[in-house]
Amino acid sequence: DTAVSQTPKYLVTQMGNDKSIKCEQNLGHDTMYWYKQDSKKFLKIMFSYNNKELIINETVPNRFSPKSPDKAHLNLHINSLELGDSAVYFCASSPGRSPYNEQFFGPGTRLTVL
Amino acid sequence: AQSVTQLDSHVSVSEGTPVLLRCNYSSSYSPSLFWYVQHPNKGLQLLLKYTSAATLVKGINGFEAEFKKSETSFHLTKPSAHMSDAAEYFCVVSEDNTGKLIFGQGTTLQVKP
Repeated sequence: DTAVSQTPKYLVTQMGNDKSIKCEQNLGHDTMYWYKQDSKKFLKIMFSYNNKELIINETVPNRFSPKSPDKAHLNLHINSLELGDSAVYFCASSPGRSPYNEQFFGPGTRLTVL
Repeated sequence: AQSVTQLDSHVSVSEGTPVLLRCNYSSSYSPSLFWYVQHPNKGLQLLLKYTSAATLVKGINGFEAEFKKSETSFHLTKPSAHMSDAAEYFCVVSEDNTGKLIFGQGTTLQVKP
């Protein structure tokens, strides 16, 4: 199926650990994004890559590091996890950076930090 | 700076009655506006988008929205609610060439039998 996929779907871990979330899209899109959805369901962009180049880096702690090995993949690594990192993380992709483009979202990764 | 305000955090309707979800935006330029839907424990799906063409936009599942520049509004409507419409709805604005989306706070739509 053509889609945006994320792994894992659920991630439960202890404070201080390091974890990664992987995202892959097979839509042939050039641009990929990471969003964070908090407990009140508010969604905020974290990062965006266009053809492996970082183009959006919001005010996110530097414990969060995105990596794009190729334009079909955008992974998110989080160091020294904190309780406040608990959220649902969504990956998305779009054909390009135009404001007219629809973004296609993955199913989300629910991260719980204990 | 662009922003979006969804005027209702929670809307409850009976099945078969009309749906109105309200959204106001603030933008320095001519924005692109979207409505996305999120069903429980799912990702987001595009319902419809406005990109400076027709001001009345039709989307999937019978939803439509009207762009009103004078009122800076982009309200979402549906003539007759279905139980499967129960979900979280997000009004979203985008205006620059980074692809950055600015989300509203979301409106939870409850549909009662």
